[in-house]
Amino acid sequence: DAKTTQPNSMESNEEEPVHLPCNHSTISGTDYIHWYRQLPSQGPEYVIHGLTSNVNNRMASLAIAEDRKSSTLILHRATLRDAAVYYCILNLAQGGSEKLVFGKGTKLTVNP
Amino acid sequence: GAGVSQTPSNKVTEKGKYVELRCDPISGHTALYWYRQSLGQGPEFLIYFQGTGAADDSGLPNDRFFAVRPEGSVSTLKIQRTERGDSAVYLCASSLIGYNEQFFGPGTRLTVL
Repeated sequence: DAKTTQPNSMESNEEEPVHLPCNHSTISGTDYIHWYRQLPSQGPEYVIHGLTSNVNNRMASLAIAEDRKSSTLILHRATLRDAAVYYCILNLAQGGSEKLVFGKGTKLTVNP
Repeated sequence: GAGVSQTPSNKVTEKGKYVELRCDPISGHTALYWYRQSLGQGPEFLIYFQGTGAADDSGLPNDRFFAVRPEGSVSTLKIQRTERGDSAVYLCASSLIGYNEQFFGPGTRLTVL
């Protein structure tokens, strides 16, 4: 199974941009890159996903390296509500199961 | 609209007992997943349903764990002869087939004494 590597923790200040990195050097050509986040005492929440091109939505942007071996989740202006554990996941769509394989993620702390 | 709901929110049981955890997915979502999350870890996949059938149960740790989804909507995760190591938050998620976004419930915190 292709794995991802993320820093254990990161800190940011409120209203500043945050760049959360993820390495996935063994990614296969058909793997999508997903990001989920988990606020304290809640279930994970979908943030964004992409395959090859950079993606934007109302929550964040996803920048994918040209060789697809790494990606970066960008929060343009961090708020206190963005404090969460962020998971970078490769979608292992094998045999129809689209299970998500979570690592430990990056715990983001946002300082006021 | 209503999201994924899970009941109970908390369950305390004694070692050796049987427990059932319920998941109500978003209406119309044909895919349903169970995960469990131990303290300080990311969620770990258990089982995936497409409709009524279990399409992938490779994550179930042993035969004490079983899940059903008889009518393709509500699912029940069943754990027999519970052990202290089963203590975790059990998460349920649902999605539309072919869509990448999974919607998670708030989880059931299971404590085995």
